[in-house]
Amino acid sequence: GAVVSQHPSWVICKSGTSVKIECRSLDFQATTMFWYRQFPKQSLMLMATSNEGSKATYEQGVEKDKFLINHASLTLSTLTVTSAHPEDSSFYICSARGQLAGLKNIQYFGAGTRLSVL
Amino acid sequence: AQSVTQLGSHVSVSEGALVLLRCNYSSSVPPYLFWYVQYPNQGLQLLLKYTSAATLVKGINGFEAEFKKSETSFHLTKPSAHMSDAAEYFCAVTGGSNYKLTFGKGTLLTVNP
Repeated sequence: GAVVSQHPSWVICKSGTSVKIECRSLDFQATTMFWYRQFPKQSLMLMATSNEGSKATYEQGVEKDKFLINHASLTLSTLTVTSAHPEDSSFYICSARGQLAGLKNIQYFGAGTRLSVL
Repeated sequence: AQSVTQLGSHVSVSEGALVLLRCNYSSSVPPYLFWYVQYPNQGLQLLLKYTSAATLVKGINGFEAEFKKSETSFHLTKPSAHMSDAAEYFCAVTGGSNYKLTFGKGTLLTVNP
């Protein structure tokens, strides 16, 4: 149980294009989803927190117009990197927190998306 | 405010030896603590969690961790390392109502044959 699917796993795009990454909770309803960015050999950096049906809350220093987050349902959140540039190349990981008591305090992670911007 | 310190960015052990990965935390509220494992180019997999029940927590793959409030520690151990344990390990803490996780910088575990 508590599986989070993230798609795509790898994307290469040209500079200036937009890329959408999907995060789905497959077998539970996710009250909250989180988006992280991870640089090589470093820890995860929280970018934003999204709750179903409301606007995402972005961490300090994260451009909300650059990283658009939509949490349309209790099982789906999307991150769109708009007008991507080479400096946006990174590993992006989502996680989901469940509604039920047993899943509330635990974040389950997707497999990550490797974004390479040429 | 919360923080996590993982002592040792790289730990190397021989196959069959004890694994000990250290984690100290700081939290202004009663913490929930987690250990996650990350294999190359993959997301994070939950190894085990402490959520204010038993202080000795058993997880998957033979790992366990002990919550010691007096030492503000949550060290991860495994009696006998296996080659498949080689990965990056992250300790994390949460305790606020926003359920945000604060991660340590990670410890890379290598297992030598």
